[in-house]
Amino acid sequence: GDSVTQMEGPVTLSEEAFLTINCTYTATGYPSLFWYVQYPGEGLQLLLKATKADDKGSNKGFEATYRKETTSFHLEKGSVQVSDSAVYFCALITRGYQKVTFGTGTKLQVIP
Amino acid sequence: NAGVTQTPKFQVLKTGQSMTLQCAQDMNHNSMYWYRQDPGMGLRLIYYSASEGTTDKGEVPNGYNVSRLNKREFSLRLESAAPSQTSVYFCASGGLRRSDTDTQYFGPGTRLTVL
Repeated sequence: GDSVTQMEGPVTLSEEAFLTINCTYTATGYPSLFWYVQYPGEGLQLLLKATKADDKGSNKGFEATYRKETTSFHLEKGSVQVSDSAVYFCALITRGYQKVTFGTGTKLQVIP
Repeated sequence: NAGVTQTPKFQVLKTGQSMTLQCAQDMNHNSMYWYRQDPGMGLRLIYYSASEGTTDKGEVPNGYNVSRLNKREFSLRLESAAPSQTSVYFCASGGLRRSDTDTQYFGPGTRLTVL
């Protein structure tokens, strides 16, 4: 079955540091890939997505590139802010299906 | 648009009590979902409904029932609550096929404690 593996947290960074959160996946078929973010006390919201190989999703300074050869979708940001502190979930959906497979989430804490 | 709404926001139950969590969406989505979120476990799918009138089990359906009342509403029922059902419950609705590339939209969650 489909699965998503992401790095365990928590990740603690100083403000303006570079962020990478690793995500790899296994899937039958050709998935669409997503990063969702959950701020404290809230539901998840879409951060970015990519639907085919070599696509780059980007939003709010975050980027992730769909790498089919390495089955990865790593999340990066060049300079994190305190307001980026949240839990980040990598996810996939296989075309033709309507269920999303989520990773276990990575908590990011950014300190001033 | 309100998006996805859930009620209640918080609930405390005693073991054996029953309750229904309500969810509604105003985005005209066909698909709706119920997840539970537990520390270190990420999100686990309880039940989903691909379209009005259909429901299917997800990863952890035991102890739960669902009703897709109409296109807008999808409720989750705990018939006899157990402490293992203490969790945060999220409802989500999915994009229409062939548009919005299957993005899911989440409600704010219901924090349930079973004593």
